[in-house]
Amino acid sequence: GENVEQHPSTLSVQEGDSAVIKCTYSDSASNYFPWYKQELGKGPQLIIDIRSNVGEKKDQRIAVTLNKTAKHFSLHITETQPEDSAVYFCAAGNQAGTALIFGKGTTLSVSS
Amino acid sequence: SQTIHQWPATLVQPVGSPLSLECTVEGTSNPNLYWYRQAAGRGLQLLFYSVGIGQISSEVPQNLSASRPQDRQFILSSKKLLLSDSGFYLCAWSRLAGWPDTQYFGPGTRLTVL
Repeated sequence: GENVEQHPSTLSVQEGDSAVIKCTYSDSASNYFPWYKQELGKGPQLIIDIRSNVGEKKDQRIAVTLNKTAKHFSLHITETQPEDSAVYFCAAGNQAGTALIFGKGTTLSVSS
Repeated sequence: SQTIHQWPATLVQPVGSPLSLECTVEGTSNPNLYWYRQAAGRGLQLLFYSVGIGQISSEVPQNLSASRPQDRQFILSSKKLLLSDSGFYLCAWSRLAGWPDTQYFGPGTRLTVL
């Protein structure tokens, strides 16, 4: 079955720096890749997603890139702010799957 | 717009006691529904998913069970809780058509088994 690896597990940056989180997946049939942000004590919230017919997608300070050949995708956050501090999860899904497969999460800390 | 509710928000139960967590979705019909468990500092573990009333698939063998008595209601149950059942339980929904699609999560239930 599908397996999603996420790195790093923790990431500390200074306010204003960029943060990059990377994920790799194993199932070449996967064609949907969402990213979630989870604040302490809350459910994960979708922040951006990308489908396999697109190589890059951007939404203000957040961007996601996808390399289907290498089977990896990345989340890029520019001009980080303290409120970006949270746990970020990547996931992968495909037509044959029954649910999204999640990475183990990255704890991002942005210090001012 | 769609809304997903979970209750209770927090729960403290003794080992061996029963469990019932409820999830309801508003503003959509025929959703896929999911139960996840998140242990402290860990990722999301899929427990059950449902594509329709009475249709439940289990991903992980355990002492938990799920039921879907109505289209937009999903219940997670246990007859006898174990210490290892402690965690943060999340319900999620997605549109049935157009798979794969975004999963939208509820606010979660924090379960502590003592």
